[in-house]
Amino acid sequence: EDKVVQSPLSLVVHEGDTVTLNCSYEVTNFRSLLWYKQEKKAPTFLFMLTSSGIEKKSGRLSSILDKKELFSILNITATQTGDSAIYLCAVEETGGGADGLTFGKGTHLIIQP
Amino acid sequence: NAGVMQNPRHLVRRRGQEARLRCSPMKGHSHVYWYRQLPEEGLKFMVYLQKENIIDESGMPKERFSAEFPKEGPSILRIQQVVRGDSAAYFCASSRTLQETQYFGPGTRLLVL
Repeated sequence: EDKVVQSPLSLVVHEGDTVTLNCSYEVTNFRSLLWYKQEKKAPTFLFMLTSSGIEKKSGRLSSILDKKELFSILNITATQTGDSAIYLCAVEETGGGADGLTFGKGTHLIIQP
Repeated sequence: NAGVMQNPRHLVRRRGQEARLRCSPMKGHSHVYWYRQLPEEGLKFMVYLQKENIIDESGMPKERFSAEFPKEGPSILRIQQVVRGDSAAYFCASSRTLQETQYFGPGTRLLVL
């Protein structure tokens, strides 16, 4: 059973639209949730969220975490073709050694001109 | 400060050969993580190492795969007697401490013919 579930799996929108990507998780010892953008190379870090209700923003991107309902959303406003990528959500757990991050399968976002 | 470096970027092997993937963490980082990304799937954790120690290898296949992070030099992921199913992108990440963000390298794309 997947611990981290992202939706939708793929999304096609037009430039200028606003998109909301979802990530729900089910882990025992939550420490943080991270969002990454993956183009044709390694994932690049976007946000780390540890506290509920505090929005993090970077330009047109923003993200928020709900630890009660166990989900996070990533918003992108005024989308551009350069936003086309796979957006990965990952969850870190606490407790002893690290098993790294548990990743969702990603949302494949395509922005059409 | 150079980022995480991986080499080679692309590796082609025939079935039965050995593949060696290298990862040089960012300066000051002593924690290294290896992930595998199969086609159409998310990133899967393989192994977490600190200098000279394997801390968690719960994601590593039991046979043919091994990893090391010597006192000097890069971390090495070794795959012996490769099979077609090993074809994937292998990403390395590093962090300064267990609690800090992981930074990803560009990945090594392994193709087994």
